[in-house]
Amino acid sequence: DADVTQTPRNRITKTGKRIMLECSQTKGHDRMYWYRQDPGLGLRLIYYSFDVKDINKGEISDGYSVSRQAQAKFSLSLESAIPNQTALYFCATSDPRQATGDTQYFGPGTRLTVL
Amino acid sequence: DQQVKQNSPSLSVQEGRISILNCDYTNSMFDYFLWYKKYPAEGPTFLISISSIKDKNEDGRFTVFLNKSAKHLSLHIVPSQPGDSAVYFCAASVSGFGNEKLTFGTGTRLTIIP
Repeated sequence: DADVTQTPRNRITKTGKRIMLECSQTKGHDRMYWYRQDPGLGLRLIYYSFDVKDINKGEISDGYSVSRQAQAKFSLSLESAIPNQTALYFCATSDPRQATGDTQYFGPGTRLTVL
Repeated sequence: DQQVKQNSPSLSVQEGRISILNCDYTNSMFDYFLWYKKYPAEGPTFLISISSIKDKNEDGRFTVFLNKSAKHLSLHIVPSQPGDSAVYFCAASVSGFGNEKLTFGTGTRLTIIP
């Protein structure tokens, strides 16, 4: 079984709709992250959480919100989706207690299309 | 402001030859560097990393070289195999507890020609 799972894997929605993307992990990591990938732009950080009580904005947080429901779960919401939020979304985890604490482990991604 | 740059969007290499992927960075505070590999419809997977206290790290067919004075790192794959065809992302961070954020480059698509 995958250590980091994301649901749904694909989603098509309409402008103005509220969307939630979910991420679960079984790695026991405290750190969780949400990224989006756009063609030619690489991966950009949306939000990150270092533990259940800690939420931080990344470089492109406008239009997004997150919820850290438990150590293992980190959800990303688009309150009112717009077409330029069409992208691949990835969740990732890391564990600073490891020797390679900066290494992040990614889920399979969610392809979101906003019409 | 792109702090981590991969200036080659794509690279084609014959099977069995060496693949060299390059990455440049501008932030002198970065001291930990990683390479990720990404296949279509999958998330990025960690490949190899290097700390700024080293100038080389090797893992099987993969070697990463770091030139701090030039703010440049490269990934060497030798010999290249068809399964190496993927998009490769370079990433960098400022190490230290509480700093575990990665800044990614834009990726290089590597195609291995049989």
